[in-house]
Amino acid sequence: NAGVTQTPKFRVLKTGQSMTLLCAQDMNHEYMYWYRQDPGMGLRLIHYSVGEGTTAKGEVPDGYNVSRLKKQNFLLGLESAAPSQTSVYFCASSYEGFNEQFFGPGTRLTVL
Amino acid sequence: AQTVTQSQPEMSVQEAETVTLSCTYDTSESDYYLFWYKQPPSRQMILVIRQEAYKQQNATENRFSVNFQKAAKSFSLKISDSQLGDAAMYFCAYTGTYKYIFGTGTRLKVLA
Repeated sequence: NAGVTQTPKFRVLKTGQSMTLLCAQDMNHEYMYWYRQDPGMGLRLIHYSVGEGTTAKGEVPDGYNVSRLKKQNFLLGLESAAPSQTSVYFCASSYEGFNEQFFGPGTRLTVL
Repeated sequence: AQTVTQSQPEMSVQEAETVTLSCTYDTSESDYYLFWYKQPPSRQMILVIRQEAYKQQNATENRFSVNFQKAAKSFSLKISDSQLGDAAMYFCAYTGTYKYIFGTGTRLKVLA
């Protein structure tokens, strides 16, 4: 099993450009999450999904959109990147809400 | 709203010694779970230990144990016989439903 994978691992964008981060899990988990990690701020929830076709806003959703068309994939989109979105992005999944979250390796995004 | 506080941004411990990382939380929910995650320099988030709030017994995983004080809303992590490989960021996390709330982290340095 690959667990949780993220594509790409690194990306540099110019202000105003768009991109999509892909998260894939092969554990048949219902719940999937996108976090951003910034120095001194821990992990903050951007969006999450409790099942295929569902999405919901987390703590810091502005500037991001998500989609979960297939159970195993959770996409995070930036329509018009801003320097404030420079961060490390983590995807995670879990079987149930109270269970351990399994994390991907992270994507380091720099917006110039 | 639930909050998680880690008041120690950085801690140091001598190899083979014991160290305790602090975490406090605030919630009005009666049923919840608490976690400690480790993030080594590789950036990969790894579950260290999990505690169910309804269990009075403190969780233990090999050299890692917790001191769960429900009334005080305290959840500290004790690492015994510290090893160089324990050097990492440690995050305390809370979940009452399916959304996790993470603390800001404690960086643990292990001195040889």
